Amino acid sequence: EDKVVQSPLSLVVHEGDTVTLNCSYEVTNFRSLLWYKQEKKAPTFLFMLTSSGIEKKSGRLSSILDKKELFSILNITATQTGDSAVYLCAFSTDSWGKLQFGAGTQVVVTP
Amino acid sequence: EPEVTQTPSHQVTQMGQEVILRCVPISNHLYFYWYRQILGQKVEFLVSFYNNEISEKSEIFDDQFSVERPDGSNFTLKIRSTKLEDSAMYFCASKGGRQGEKLFFGSGTQLSVL
Repeated sequence: EDKVVQSPLSLVVHEGDTVTLNCSYEVTNFRSLLWYKQEKKAPTFLFMLTSSGIEKKSGRLSSILDKKELFSILNITATQTGDSAVYLCAFSTDSWGKLQFGAGTQVVVTP
Repeated sequence: EPEVTQTPSHQVTQMGQEVILRCVPISNHLYFYWYRQILGQKVEFLVSFYNNEISEKSEIFDDQFSVERPDGSNFTLKIRSTKLEDSAMYFCASKGGRQGEKLFFGSGTQLSVL
């Protein structure tokens, strides 16, 4: 059975800190891994990773995939209170685009 | 940026009643989805829809559920006879192409079954 595990479940940091979120997976027919940010309602897309070892960056956020060790990391540097959210990791195993989500990591950034 | 829009944002219904949740996917997208998230739990896949038919569905998507694309813009999820355990946030999503493109999610409909 395919599964994805995110850690930690939650964390609290101060503004300016760096956070590292982990997503490990056991998936047959892996196609891609995606990161989403969920604030109040809709998950909003952050990154899609398909190749191992290639870092993707968007501002203060970056992510990398390790297909040998079956995990991905999402980094947020110089955190701001607006980064407070649940960060979701999901994987895709088919071309139809169905995603299977992890439980998420709740990040709280305090002023 | 284009958005997936969902209506209503909240729906309260009595157990056994039918509900229809509505979505307008992004206009040039071809693949449509419904997901749900029970409070405190994971986002779960319900169904995917392409070329006017269901392409994949989960075990959750039983005979009580149906989807329809009645015209060129709307995509609906119907629950025929709601149960208490159907209470959840329902997300519609869409994407453009077949190969590994990102899903855009709507802001969700919070369904409460009393």
